Amino acid sequence: EDQVTQSPEALRLQEGESSSLNCSYTVSGLRGLFWYRQDPGKGPEFLFTLYSAGEEKEKERLKATLTKKESFLHITAPKPEDSATYLCAVRNNAGNMLTFGGGTRLMVKP
Amino acid sequence: NAGVTQTPKFQVLKTGQSMTLQCAQDMNHNSMYWYRQDPGMGLRLIYYSASEGTTDKGEVPNGYNVSRLNKREFSLRLESAAPSQTSVYFCASSDQQGYEQYFGPGTRLTVT
Repeated sequence: EDQVTQSPEALRLQEGESSSLNCSYTVSGLRGLFWYRQDPGKGPEFLFTLYSAGEEKEKERLKATLTKKESFLHITAPKPEDSATYLCAVRNNAGNMLTFGGGTRLMVKP
Repeated sequence: NAGVTQTPKFQVLKTGQSMTLQCAQDMNHNSMYWYRQDPGMGLRLIYYSASEGTTDKGEVPNGYNVSRLNKREFSLRLESAAPSQTSVYFCASSDQQGYEQYFGPGTRLTVT
């Protein structure tokens, strides 16, 4: 059974204070690791897909990296508008569905 | 391009009542999905449709039925609502099964 664990559950940062969110996974043949951002009262918004260890993707202040056991979402010099819940999900080699982690709630104070 | 749309946005039901949640996408995607999101449980897949004319159970299908009406539309039906079905329901679609999914705004359902 695929499993995804995200840590920490919640993270408070000051504006400009860089940090990283962790997504640990066990999956039978990784066929994609996905990062989403979810704002309160809204649906998840797709950010990145990573397929193989060593791969990195960047978008504005966010950079996602992947190893064989975990993924990190690095946030550089965050702003208050980066406050949201960040979700991680994996797709296995059966390809039928995504398994989501519980998310990390990020709060960036001005 | 509206993406994925869901109706209604909010709904309150009494135990035993039935209702259908509607979902439509205008991205010409083949695959569509229904999830529920509960505090501490994350997003869990209820049913999915890999392509028009097919549906399959996900992780938590009990108490739900689905219909893939056409390529654009995928509905979720609660035949006899229970308080345990109080949740936020999200519809999603993807170009291919398992690839990045795009989510709708959600339906907040309360069953009393």
